[in-house]
Amino acid sequence: GEDVEQSLFLSVREGDSSVINCTYTDSSSTYLYWYKQEPGAGLQLLTYIFSNMDMKQDQRLTVLLNKKDKHLSLRIADTQTGDSAIYFCAETSIFLNSGGGADGLTFGKGTHLIIQP
Amino acid sequence: EPEVTQTPSHQVTQMGQEVILRCVPISNHLYFYWYRQILGQKVEFLVSFYNNEISEKSEIFDDQFSVERPDGSNFTLKIRSTKLEDSAMYFCASRNQETQYFGPGTRLLVL
Repeated sequence: GEDVEQSLFLSVREGDSSVINCTYTDSSSTYLYWYKQEPGAGLQLLTYIFSNMDMKQDQRLTVLLNKKDKHLSLRIADTQTGDSAIYFCAETSIFLNSGGGADGLTFGKGTHLIIQP
Repeated sequence: EPEVTQTPSHQVTQMGQEVILRCVPISNHLYFYWYRQILGQKVEFLVSFYNNEISEKSEIFDDQFSVERPDGSNFTLKIRSTKLEDSAMYFCASRNQETQYFGPGTRLLVL
């Protein structure tokens, strides 16, 4: 079945950029997502990218997609203490126009982002 | 901003008991989902629901589980006879176009 892999921990200094990486196996992935989970809280959608794009920027967040290598990354510029959380990569293979494809999201195990002062 | 809400936030139950977890999806969304996250593990897809029927379910979603949309606003997950290994955080989500929005979760503890 589909699999999504992420490294478990990333430690960065406050003010530096954080780059969280993710690899996936499903070649039919159409949308890839980044969710943020703070302690005891739910999953907050940060950003997503459609598989025919290779980059998307949204304020401090930059998503890069290498579809050939099935590699997704999330760059957080000027990392702040409030960015400390678990970041989940997720993918799906829905086709919005035709309504087909697998609907449920496949998640990675999450990367704990630790901010050093 | 509209949100997915879930009740209760925490539930403790005895093994073998039935539990019903409740969700109110975002009002104009048509696709609904349940996921679970066992402590320290990844978020796992359970089931998706569209047009009053299950559209996809995972291997985890066995006969002990059922979902229902009893009225125009609620979406429920029922576990008929809970097992210890059902202890987890259960997340509801709803979707409009390409993005799923998650609720805050219900933490279920089976003793």
